[in-house]
Amino acid sequence: ETGVTQTPRHLVMGMTNKKSLKCEQHLGHNAMYWYKQSAKKPLELMFVYNFKEQTENNSVPSRFSPECPNSSHLFLHLHTLQPEDSALYLCASSRTGVGYGYTFGSGTRLTVV
Amino acid sequence: TQLLEQSPQFLSIQEGENLTVYCNSSSVFSSLQWYRQEPGEGPVLLVTVVTGGEVKKLKRLTFQFGDARKDSSLHITAAQTGDTGLYLCAGAGEETSGSRLTFGEGTQLTVNP
Repeated sequence: ETGVTQTPRHLVMGMTNKKSLKCEQHLGHNAMYWYKQSAKKPLELMFVYNFKEQTENNSVPSRFSPECPNSSHLFLHLHTLQPEDSALYLCASSRTGVGYGYTFGSGTRLTVV
Repeated sequence: TQLLEQSPQFLSIQEGENLTVYCNSSSVFSSLQWYRQEPGEGPVLLVTVVTGGEVKKLKRLTFQFGDARKDSSLHITAAQTGDTGLYLCAGAGEETSGSRLTFGEGTQLTVNP
């Protein structure tokens, strides 16, 4: 139990499908993040939410749509994805301020066919 | 854009050997963190260093933050097979609240029995 729960763990979707990834934390953290992890690349920051307000969108294509209804829940809505979007999508949470580490979920392994 | 370069990218050693992994940047960081990631899981925080020149020890792992806060190293003494994993360094920029992390590409460590 890492404290950050992501569902589903694995997802296979067609390019015309619509799906959502879910992330939940009950650690009392006020910041939540979506990262993309692809082979041979550093983790890429996608979105940052602080006290459920989006504070960063790292030039992510509009086919990825985040939603943060409260400080404990974060969603990533997916539609009309491309095969190159296949990756491990990681959710993390933290307190804000210098020196606070992230708590990551186990990730969703996404395959776009 | 802040970049973190890790070296080596891959390291395969025998149980009982010592090793050092490096994390370098031209940017100054307010803090630097090390994570370990196992296959199919999210990264897990090992340590956070905040002060230039700081040294932290975690059992057989020794972490050092460079005096100028631009680089860090991770030294493992008497490696064990359980140390196998992807080691990631991540830095928090001075210009942000300290929460947004930039990750290196990682060092894949394999410890053979």
